[in-house]
Amino acid sequence: QKEVEQNSGPLSVPEGAIASLNCTYSDRVSQSFFWYRQYSGKSPELIMSIYSNGDKEDGRFTAQLNKASQYVSLLIRDSQPSDSATYLCAVTRLRGDDKIIFGKGTRLHILP
Amino acid sequence: GAVVSQHPSRVICKSGTSVKIECRSLDFQATTMFWYRQFPKKSLMLMATSNEGSKATYEQGVEKDKFLINHASLTLSTLTVTSAHPEDSSFYICSAEARRNSGNTIYFGEGSWLTVV
Repeated sequence: QKEVEQNSGPLSVPEGAIASLNCTYSDRVSQSFFWYRQYSGKSPELIMSIYSNGDKEDGRFTAQLNKASQYVSLLIRDSQPSDSATYLCAVTRLRGDDKIIFGKGTRLHILP
Repeated sequence: GAVVSQHPSRVICKSGTSVKIECRSLDFQATTMFWYRQFPKKSLMLMATSNEGSKATYEQGVEKDKFLINHASLTLSTLTVTSAHPEDSSFYICSAEARRNSGNTIYFGEGSWLTVV
């Protein structure tokens, strides 16, 4: 059973619209959640972290966490072509080893 | 923010030779580092977990004698691809775990493109 699930996409969103990326996880004791952005040919970069239920905003990005439903999402407002990338969701699996588990990523394509 | 540096960014080596890739955490100590491989348009594949002062833990299917990992200090882990073959050509990425009171976070190095000719 996979521990972090993401739709692989590609998700196509018109420029200026809101892009919504979703992620579900299986381990109820997970406590830390991250979104990484990876451009083609580059390594992932951390863009958001969230630890408690609710919304966390940072510029055009909003992370949403719902531990009861075991999902975390990333909203990108006013999408730009430069947002086109693969977005990786990551979750800490607190089973005494603090390993962080990555989803396989969602490819986002912003249409000019 | 935390910074992880990886070197070299690109390397070309001849088949049968060995190549070493370094991963350094620049502003935090990392007892745990991770090594990934990624083929074009494919997902990150975790190869091994590098633990400072102890042996690395390899994922299933990864040859530990071919991919040697050394984590001799709290800021440096190295991956050596031994007896490289063209099929080892890939994008290798390291990451380091920063442990803070607010929680653990993973930061990635810039990645290393390996081409074996």
